[in-house]
Amino acid sequence: AQTVTQSQPEMSVQEAETVTLSCTYDTSESNYYLFWYKQPPSRQMILVIRQEAYKQQNATENRFSVNFQKAAKSFSLKISDSQLGDTAMYFCALLNAGNNRKLIWGLGTSLAVNP
Amino acid sequence: GAGVSQSPSNKVTEKGKDVELRCDPISGHTALYWYRQRLGQGLEFLIYFQGNSAPDKSGLPSDRFSAERTGESVSTLTIQRTQQEDSAVYLCASSSSGTPRYTQYFGPGTRLTVL
Repeated sequence: AQTVTQSQPEMSVQEAETVTLSCTYDTSESNYYLFWYKQPPSRQMILVIRQEAYKQQNATENRFSVNFQKAAKSFSLKISDSQLGDTAMYFCALLNAGNNRKLIWGLGTSLAVNP
Repeated sequence: GAGVSQSPSNKVTEKGKDVELRCDPISGHTALYWYRQRLGQGLEFLIYFQGNSAPDKSGLPSDRFSAERTGESVSTLTIQRTQQEDSAVYLCASSSSGTPRYTQYFGPGTRLTVL
């Protein structure tokens, strides 16, 4: 079975500081992708960053980067220079590149960025 | 270009009524997904359309749920004889067969409330 676990239901960080959100996953597939999405109160699900499992290099997108530890099945998200607009629910998701390319989701981490 | 759109934004209905939710994917995206997000829970996969292939309906929770897609365009999710447990946000996503591979882009969702 494929699962995604986010062990931190809530986190907070001061503006301009750095925060790391944890995610672990389980899959028996070899060809898979990992994603972080954010969902602000507007409920629009927004892609933050993606990682192909076959790539060793960690993905980065501006202030967002991941620490992808394939052997440990860990995929954490680091947000640098946190901004008030980063306040949102963050979801980690796994996609197996087989016939059914559905996303399997964690339960999310609610991140509050404080001024 | 235009993103994924969904209508209505909010829908309030009475128990036992039928509802229809609509999704317009990004133009040219061959894959379309429906997910359900209940309060305080992660997203649940409902159904997946890929081009003209038979849809993957493995996530539909009961035979009251059905979905259709016309070619590679609009999709409708129909819930018959709605129940209170159907109350949730219904999210639609689409993805391209090109790059970035397997990346799903989401619409703003439809919040369904069953009284």
